[in-house]
Amino acid sequence: AQKVTQAQTEISVVEKEDVTLDCVYETRDTTYYLFWYKQPPSGELVFLIRRNSFDEQNEISGRYSWNFQKSTSSFNFTITASQVVDSAVYFCALSEAPSGNTPLVFGKGTRLSVIA
Amino acid sequence: DAGVIQSPRHEVTEMGQEVTLRCKPISGHNSLFWYRQTMMRGLELLIYFNNNVPIDDSGMPEDRFSAKMPNASFSTLKIQPSEPRDSAVYFCASSRRLQGAANEKLFFGSGTQLSVL
Repeated sequence: AQKVTQAQTEISVVEKEDVTLDCVYETRDTTYYLFWYKQPPSGELVFLIRRNSFDEQNEISGRYSWNFQKSTSSFNFTITASQVVDSAVYFCALSEAPSGNTPLVFGKGTRLSVIA
Repeated sequence: DAGVIQSPRHEVTEMGQEVTLRCKPISGHNSLFWYRQTMMRGLELLIYFNNNVPIDDSGMPEDRFSAKMPNASFSTLKIQPSEPRDSAVYFCASSRRLQGAANEKLFFGSGTQLSVL
């Protein structure tokens, strides 16, 4: 069965610090998709990234970067030079896709607080 | 382009009352999902539909919960009778799902904050 673990429940950093949010997943499928979503204080869930299991290239988008390592079943998310607006709950999610698509299974989330 | 629309945004009700949550997915999306978010359990999938047909409702906690999707542009999640432990944020999400294609991302509504007193 698929499972996503975000071991860090809460993280606090001072503005401009770098911070890494950990995500470890479990799946028996060789084809799957990994996602990160952001939930700001307003409550909606905002899509950040999708990565398929055959693409292990790291990705950078502005201050955000993602490190996908199949060897450790991890898909970690780093925010460089954090800002107060980055304060939110961040969710990692997994979808197995052996012959189609399955719904996302989410981790419990990591609450990030960036202090000015 | 309107996103996923949920109503109401907030619902306060008394134990035993019927509660109906509504969702309008993004036009053209053929998959719809209901999730529940609580502090203890995080985001849990309750049920999802493909092309208006329920595919997996194993996440529906009890018979008190039911969901329908009468057409491609509307879905409801009903709780009858409601209990205090049903208090949570209920999210609806939609996606465009093409067989054999990459798993499309989910677009979420703003959620319904349900409080059962």
